[in-house]
Amino acid sequence: ELKVEQNPLFLSMQEGKNYTIYCNYSTTSDRLYWYRQDPGKSLESLFVLLSNGAVKQEGRLMASLDTKARLSTLHITAAVHDLSATYFCAVDEYSGGGADGLTFGKGTHLIIQP
Amino acid sequence: DGGITQSPKYLFRKEGQNVTLSCEQNLNHDAMYWYRQDPGQGLRLIYYSQIVNDFQKGDIAEGYSVSREKKESFPLTVTSAQKNPTAFYLCASRGQFSNQPQHFGDGTRLSIL
Repeated sequence: ELKVEQNPLFLSMQEGKNYTIYCNYSTTSDRLYWYRQDPGKSLESLFVLLSNGAVKQEGRLMASLDTKARLSTLHITAAVHDLSATYFCAVDEYSGGGADGLTFGKGTHLIIQP
Repeated sequence: DGGITQSPKYLFRKEGQNVTLSCEQNLNHDAMYWYRQDPGQGLRLIYYSQIVNDFQKGDIAEGYSVSREKKESFPLTVTSAQKNPTAFYLCASRGQFSNQPQHFGDGTRLSIL
């Protein structure tokens, strides 16, 4: 059974600081996704990481994937209040028949304070 | 604009009642998914469908049923056998290429009366 673990689950940080969210998973996969969820809202896709060593950046967020370590990171640079949200990583256990649905971590609830 | 439409936004279920959540997409995606989200938790897969007239159980299918008669539509029925249905339900779809993320609808919040 595929397990996806995120840490930390809660993170309160000050504006301007840097921090990293970690996502570990328990099976071989080279497809990992990061999503953002605002309170009471749906999920917004942030990054799609499809190979070992993949790195994607968008604004103050950067995501990377190490398939050998089964680890992805989401790095926040010089945080601003607008980045406050819950961030989920999800792994796609791809089979020959097609994508079977994602397995999600429990999410990291991020609060950025002025 | 292309997207996924879920309805209703809020739904209340009485004891012993079946309720159906609607999910429609106009993205021409083959694969569709239903997830359940409990407060403070990640999403868990209920059912998924990769093509019309075919679907598979996810991790928590008990007490739920689905159909996929049209490519655009993937309704979820929460049956009376689901004893703890209160949750946020999210429908998603994905195109045929594996480098695409799943796109999510706005969700339906189901509560017990």
